[in-house]
Amino acid sequence: QVQLVQSGAEVKKPGASVKVSCKASGYTLSSHGISWVRQAPGQGLEWMGWIGAYNGNTKYGQKIQGRVTMTTDTSTSTAYMELRSLRSDDTAVYYCARDLTPTKGYDYWGQGTLVTVSS
Amino acid sequence: AIRITQSPSSLSASTGDRVTITCRASQGISSYLAWYQQKPGKAPKLLIYAASTLQSGVPSRFSGSGSGTDFTLTISCLQSEDFATYYCQQYNTYPGTFGQGTKVEIK
Repeated sequence: QVQLVQSGAEVKKPGASVKVSCKASGYTLSSHGISWVRQAPGQGLEWMGWIGAYNGNTKYGQKIQGRVTMTTDTSTSTAYMELRSLRSDDTAVYYCARDLTPTKGYDYWGQGTLVTVSS
Repeated sequence: AIRITQSPSSLSASTGDRVTITCRASQGISSYLAWYQQKPGKAPKLLIYAASTLQSGVPSRFSGSGSGTDFTLTISCLQSEDFATYYCQQYNTYPGTFGQGTKVEIK
């Protein structure tokens, strides 16, 4: 069965970086893209970006453009999202999701990783 | 970026009720719209894609309709497990913007 398992919660200071991993199983990572979505406490869903796992092409949200890098390692079936220069408003749960667009939406999601940015 | 306006932001309903949630896109997105259900502390779950196609395993009381700019999610007979927050998302163009969410609460 398809699963996406994310790395554990992180606490970071403002200005630091965080790298969240998302390990895929039950399918071949390179066959579909991965999107990243975050959710600030008590807030809605915010699309962060997409990576085409087969070619490494990326699309990033304007709000985080320049601070984010999404990568994949097909040898370990793992996708990564690194966010730099963290601010307090980056505190959120970060989700990876298998992206089947334009055919479908996001059909499998990771369990989420809470990133807390606090001094 | 395409803006998605979802309404209402919350609603109170009883088990057995028919519930309707709408999303309006700021420009035409054909049928590139998905609906998700999210329960507290959990990841979103895909319910409907391509505006009206039910994801495998999702109960048939959920249905979606619309194309272009106006879309609707209907729950025909609300069950206890349906109390949650619902989001629409357009995936016609990047960024894949989400609606603001609709919290369905128990009356």
